[in-house]
Amino acid sequence: GENVEQHPSTLSVQEGDSAVIKCTYSDSASNYFPWYKQELGKGPQLIIDIRSNVGEKKDQRIAVTLNKTAKHFSLHITETQPEDSAVYFCAASEGGYQKVTFGIGTKLQVIP
Amino acid sequence: SAVISQKPSRDICQRGTSLTIQCQVDSQVTMMFWYRQQPGQSLTLIATANQGSEATYESGFVIDKFPISRPNLTFSTLTVSNMSPEDSSIYLCSVEGTGSFNEQFFGPGTRLTVL
Repeated sequence: GENVEQHPSTLSVQEGDSAVIKCTYSDSASNYFPWYKQELGKGPQLIIDIRSNVGEKKDQRIAVTLNKTAKHFSLHITETQPEDSAVYFCAASEGGYQKVTFGIGTKLQVIP
Repeated sequence: SAVISQKPSRDICQRGTSLTIQCQVDSQVTMMFWYRQQPGQSLTLIATANQGSEATYESGFVIDKFPISRPNLTFSTLTVSNMSPEDSSIYLCSVEGTGSFNEQFFGPGTRLTVL
């Protein structure tokens, strides 16, 4: 089955700096890679996703890159703000209602 | 995305009892999913609930421990049976989006503590 590894497990950045979270996956059949943000006491929120037919996707301060050859994908947050502090999960799936496998999560702390 | 609610939001239960968690969606969805998130851990899929058929359980999860109902396209329940302290977790339901790439949207979760 799919295995998703995520690092770092914790990340502290100064407000305004960039944050990068990296994930690798094992199943070459995976073609859908979502990222979730989970704030304390809340359910995970889908913030961005990428399909295997694109290498990069951007939405305002958030961008995701995908390297299918190397089987890794990354989340980039620029100009970080205190409200970006949360746990971020990467995930991988074959799509089409197949199982979604999550990484271990990265606790991001943005220091004002 | 769909609006998903869960009840209860949290509960403290005694060992050996059972708790039923409800998940309500504001639109009709075919697939609903139940996850467990142990303290400080990632999300682990318990089962997939498709309306009109038996739930499909992941390895390590069994129907006797986690019975699931899916009576219609907007509602599902997960029961945690004969609870032990190891069942203390956040239980999350999710639903699929309208896209073809298995987007999933999560409810707020039910925080369960078993004493």
